Amino acid sequence: DAKTTQPTSMDCAEGRAANLPCNHSTISGNEYVYWYRQIHSQGPQYIIHGLKNNETNEMASLIITEDRKSSTLILPHATLRDTAVYYCIVRANSGGSNYKLTFGKGTLLTVNP
Amino acid sequence: DAGVIQSPRHEVTEMGQEVTLRCKPISGHDYLFWYRQTMMRGLELLIYFNNNVPIDDSGMPEDRFSAKMPNASFSTLKIQPSEPRDSAVYFCASRAGISPLHFGNGTRLTVT
Repeated sequence: DAKTTQPTSMDCAEGRAANLPCNHSTISGNEYVYWYRQIHSQGPQYIIHGLKNNETNEMASLIITEDRKSSTLILPHATLRDTAVYYCIVRANSGGSNYKLTFGKGTLLTVNP
Repeated sequence: DAGVIQSPRHEVTEMGQEVTLRCKPISGHDYLFWYRQTMMRGLELLIYFNNNVPIDDSGMPEDRFSAKMPNASFSTLKIQPSEPRDSAVYFCASRAGISPLHFGNGTRLTVT
């Protein structure tokens, strides 16, 4: 899996958009960008994933740059319950590595009232 | 959908005792994973199964750790004998094919 780089921590005001960056400059053409988050005392939770096009679901939006070397997870209206560690992971969906999801340190997002 | 169910939620045991952690994956999921999380090492993949068969156990720390999946709806992770350095949160996760992983809420193990 390609290595990712994320800031250690970020703050966001409640109700504002939270933009979480991730660098993955060594990403391969067949690797997807996945985002998970882990709220305190819970298991990681899947948020969203994408290959090259921007993606949106009920939880968040994922913006991937044209060269695919970086991406941004956007929580449009952050709430206190969005305080969590956010993990950016790149992984191929085929071949022998498709089983393995390797978690880094992630970004601790703190949403402040 | 009840999600991935793990038991117990907390386990406290003394060094040298056997510990068994349990996991019920989501119905219909054909992959099951065991992860361990500590402050120092983060989330580590220990072992995973496909259709109840262990595929890769290269993350299992040592012979004291073993995992089984006797059927599609149940898996165990056993530590025998347990040591204080095994203290961690152990997560079970499952998925169908290449779909995203669904994690349980973990078992917090403390070995004194």
